[in-house]
Amino acid sequence: QVQLQESGPGLVKPSETLFLTCAVSGYSISSGNYWGWIRQPPGKGLEWIGSVDQSGSTYYNPSLKSRVTISVDSSKNQFSLKLTSVTAADTAVYYCARDGRYCSGGCCYSDYWGQGTLVTVSS
Amino acid sequence: EIVLTQSPGTLSLSPGERATLSCRASQSVRSRYLAWYQQKPGQAPRLLIYGASSRATGIPDRFSGSGSGTEFTLTISRLEPEDLAVYYCQQYGSSLTFGGGTKVEIK
Repeated sequence: QVQLQESGPGLVKPSETLFLTCAVSGYSISSGNYWGWIRQPPGKGLEWIGSVDQSGSTYYNPSLKSRVTISVDSSKNQFSLKLTSVTAADTAVYYCARDGRYCSGGCCYSDYWGQGTLVTVSS
Repeated sequence: EIVLTQSPGTLSLSPGERATLSCRASQSVRSRYLAWYQQKPGQAPRLLIYGASSRATGIPDRFSGSGSGTEFTLTISRLEPEDLAVYYCQQYGSSLTFGGGTKVEIK
């Protein structure tokens, strides 16, 4: 059974950098899928952040691209999100997810999701 | 960017009724690369449909997807109390965007 678990600080100060990690179990991160991050501000809809594959190839949401880095560590079977210069608008539940197979490139539906972690940006 | 508009915003129906949810795209969605998700309160989204009409693993056959181009539909043939949720469409043919969601309420 594929399982994903997000971890990282629940509180980040404005202008600082948000770091989150997603640990994958029950499936090898090197099996050919892309792995992505999606976020959801409290009471609002879903926003795709970006995706990475085992080789480190990435796709990013154009609106966040200048502040986002997604990386993969196959030896630890995990991938990570870095978001710089955060503001209150970045307060959200952050989900990591496994992308499916029947798509093109790094933009795909997500078939397994973590439970999500709330990150609040506040001083 | 492809903008997805979902309607209605809220759907209130009784158990056993048919629910029809709409997702309209601002441009044609390439290769029918459209998915539907169900998100129950306090939970992560769950994939229901991908490729516009393919059911994900373990999804009951009362959920079905259809459409192409700019018009897509999610149908729940016989609503059950546990279908209370927000439903999102997502296109992944040109970058990746989500619709704003349709909330399904059970009377």
